[in-house]
Amino acid sequence: EVHLVESGGGVVRRGGSLRLSCAASGFTFNDFGMSWVRQVPGKGLEWVSSINRDGGDTRYAASVKGRFTISRDNAKNSLYLQMDSLRAEDTALYHCARDLAASPFDYWGQGTLVTVSS
Amino acid sequence: QSVLTQPPSVSAAPGQKVTISCSGSSSNIGNNYVSWYQHLPGTAPKLLIFDHNKRPSGIPDRFSGSKSGTSATLGITGLQTGDEADYYCGTWDSSLRAVVFGGGTKLTVL
Repeated sequence: EVHLVESGGGVVRRGGSLRLSCAASGFTFNDFGMSWVRQVPGKGLEWVSSINRDGGDTRYAASVKGRFTISRDNAKNSLYLQMDSLRAEDTALYHCARDLAASPFDYWGQGTLVTVSS
Repeated sequence: QSVLTQPPSVSAAPGQKVTISCSGSSSNIGNNYVSWYQHLPGTAPKLLIFDHNKRPSGIPDRFSGSKSGTSATLGITGLQTGDEADYYCGTWDSSLRAVVFGGGTKLTVL
């Protein structure tokens, strides 16, 4: 059974940094691209970033480009999101998700909450 | 303002059928595959439909998906109280070079 478990969320001051992790199990991790998607409380889903199977291709939403860095460690079955220069509008529940070949994501984690305080 | 447009809410009685629309453009729905998700806040979204109309294993055939032009539709028949949730459509947008979602539709089973 596929499991994705996020960690690393918390309260951080505006301008600060945080590193999120996603532990994957139940599938061959390096066979799939992976992504981060966030949800601001009370609002909809927003794609944040994606990385391909070997980590050689990364993509970012315009709202986080230059501030966030996605990476993966296939030996550890783990996905990461380094978040720098955090803003109040980055406050959200961050989910990691597994990419499908054509359509967006099949499996998602429950998320880790990031709160950026001023 | 979401790139894909969904109605904010829909409702129907138990046992009835409901459809949820997702409107986009040629840069997203018109030329890319659509997924549909069921989401209860604070939990992991659940994939219901992918590639416009395919169901993952374990998803009952009460859930269906279709696409016409630049719009997609999720259908749910035989509504149950357990179907109450938020539903999102999502797809790739070739112009934005980003995955885009609808704003979500809250389903109420009266």
